Amino acid sequence: DVQLVESGGGLVQPGGSLRLSCEASGFTFSNYYMSWVRQAPGKGLEWVASINQDGSEKYYVDSVEGRFTISRDNAKNSLYLQMNSLRAEDTAVYYCARRTGLNYWGQGTLVTVSS
Amino acid sequence: DVVMTQSPLSLPVTLGQPASISCTSSQSLVHSDGNTYLNWFQQRPGQSPRRLIYQVSNRDSGVPDRFSGSGSGTVFTLKISRVEAEDLGVYYCMQNTHWPPVTFGPGTKVDIK
Repeated sequence: DVQLVESGGGLVQPGGSLRLSCEASGFTFSNYYMSWVRQAPGKGLEWVASINQDGSEKYYVDSVEGRFTISRDNAKNSLYLQMNSLRAEDTAVYYCARRTGLNYWGQGTLVTVSS
Repeated sequence: DVVMTQSPLSLPVTLGQPASISCTSSQSLVHSDGNTYLNWFQQRPGQSPRRLIYQVSNRDSGVPDRFSGSGSGTVFTLKISRVEAEDLGVYYCMQNTHWPPVTFGPGTKVDIK
């Protein structure tokens, strides 16, 4: 079975940094685009970033461009999201998902940006 | 960016009765490869989203056949033939034809009338 397990969320002050991880299993990780999607408390879904199979192509929503970096380690079957210069509006549950079609999702990890 | 809209935003339903959600896009979702990358997701309370439908009308594995998707171009519909208690939650349409960015509709909350 496909499994995606996120970790790394927590409370961080505005302007701080956090690195999220997503460990994948049950499929050949290196064959797939991967994505991050977030959901602010009580709000809808927002695509954040996607990365191609070998990590050479990365795409971001405008609101995180220049602050967030998506990356992957195919040897470790892992996806990452480095988040810098965090703002209150980045507070959300962050999900990793397979492909841009988002056919499988993890359980999410909560990031809270607050002083 | 492609803007996705949904109606209604709130849908009170009666168990056992049909339900329908509409989704429209600000531009045609037909890709240059001929496919239309319009998807539907279900999010039950307290759970992660789950994809139900891909490419307008294809059900994902394990999705009950009471769920169906239809539409073309800029207008799409998700139908539930007979609503069951486990169907309550929020439904989102999403396009990944013209990405980045991937864009979602605002969501339709389905609850008991």
